[in-house]
Amino acid sequence: SQKIEQNSEALNIQEGKTATLTCNYTNYSPAYLQWYRQDPGRGPVFLLLIRENEKEKRKERLKVTFDTTLKQSLFHITASQPADSATYLCALVDGSSNTGKLIFGQGTTLQVKP
Amino acid sequence: DAGVIQSPRHEVTEMGQEVTLRCKPISGHDYLFWYRQTMMRGLELLIYFNNNVPIDDSGMPEDRFSAKMPNASFSTLKIQPSEPRDSAVYFCASTWGGIRSGQFFGPGTRLTVL
Repeated sequence: SQKIEQNSEALNIQEGKTATLTCNYTNYSPAYLQWYRQDPGRGPVFLLLIRENEKEKRKERLKVTFDTTLKQSLFHITASQPADSATYLCALVDGSSNTGKLIFGQGTTLQVKP
Repeated sequence: DAGVIQSPRHEVTEMGQEVTLRCKPISGHDYLFWYRQTMMRGLELLIYFNNNVPIDDSGMPEDRFSAKMPNASFSTLKIQPSEPRDSAVYFCASTWGGIRSGQFFGPGTRLTVL
């Protein structure tokens, strides 16, 4: 069956450290993978998009990697701050889909302690 | 830019009643998406439109759900009759340039069906 898996356990790290979140997928052939941030009571906010032929993408303190062999994307936040505390969602567009709809993982909650 | 606007923000209704959720996408965006988010199932795509035309409605749970987009600046999601299991947060999102672009989400409507 098709699955997108993100670590369901909250990730707790100390301010200033690098946070690394994982997104694994099964039985998809994603053409694109996206990462979103969601704060409690609010809608998701788009952060980064990476294509299947890209290994890495950066934006300020954020870095995303995409390994189609491992079927995995890693999302890094360097020099983390308490304001980075939120739930982070990965989402993919299945390349085999005719309509290319976006499918979301359940999200991982990050807590950055001062 | 006002962002995606949704109304109402909260809706409490009784089982069997009709519920209408409203969305105004960002001006100039040609794709509009309706999602539902619950703790159990996460964020699920219900339906999406391109240039006001429904493209993929495979996520609409059953015939009690219907969505329309009469023009580029307005969409509705209707549930008739509503049931307690419809209780969730419903998000509207919009984007331009294709379904492989990052999506801009509204604040959501929290629906409670008693």
